[in-house]
Amino acid sequence: EVQLVESGGGLVQPGGSLRLSCAASGFTFSSYWMHWVRQAPGKGLVWVSRINSDGSSTSYADSVKGRFTISRDNAKNTLYLQMNSLRAEDTAVYYCARGRSGGDWGQGTLVTVSS
Amino acid sequence: QSALTQPASVSGSPGQSITISCTGTSSDVGGYNYVSWYQQHPGKAPKLMIYDVSKRPSGVSNRFSGSKSGNTASLTISGLQAEDEADYYCSSYTSSSTYVFGTGTKVTVL
Repeated sequence: EVQLVESGGGLVQPGGSLRLSCAASGFTFSSYWMHWVRQAPGKGLVWVSRINSDGSSTSYADSVKGRFTISRDNAKNTLYLQMNSLRAEDTAVYYCARGRSGGDWGQGTLVTVSS
Repeated sequence: QSALTQPASVSGSPGQSITISCTGTSSDVGGYNYVSWYQQHPGKAPKLMIYDVSKRPSGVSNRFSGSKSGNTASLTISGLQAEDEADYYCSSYTSSSTYVFGTGTKVTVL
């Protein structure tokens, strides 16, 4: 069974940093692209970033480019999102999703940016 | 990276068919056959319903179907059931090697 478990969310002040993790199991992690997608409270889904299977290629939404970094450790079956210079508008539930089309999703982790 | 345009809400009676549209541009929906559709129930993670415009993942009911014409993709739900009441989002790959989601559509079963 495919499992994706996000962690690392919490309350952080504006300008602060946070690193999210997504632990993967039940499939060959190193064979799949992975995405981060976020959803602000009561709002729609917003694509954040993606990484290819070996980590050599990444892309980002304009709203996070230069502030967020996606990475992966295929030996640890874990996806990461390093978030720096956080803003109030980054407040959201962050989901990781498996595969080019996002065939499986985690339960999400809440990031709250507030003073 | 403007969001793809979806109707805010669509409703139908049980057993009816409804269609949700997803309008983009030639740089996203119209340019690639990489359109996906997701269903999201309140408080839950999204679930993939359609990928690559019209392909259904294993386990998804054949009442769900997808299509595309020009810059507009569509999701059709036939034989509407109470459990189909949820939010639906489209997404597309873009010419910038990024992805973009639609604005979301709330489906109500009357």
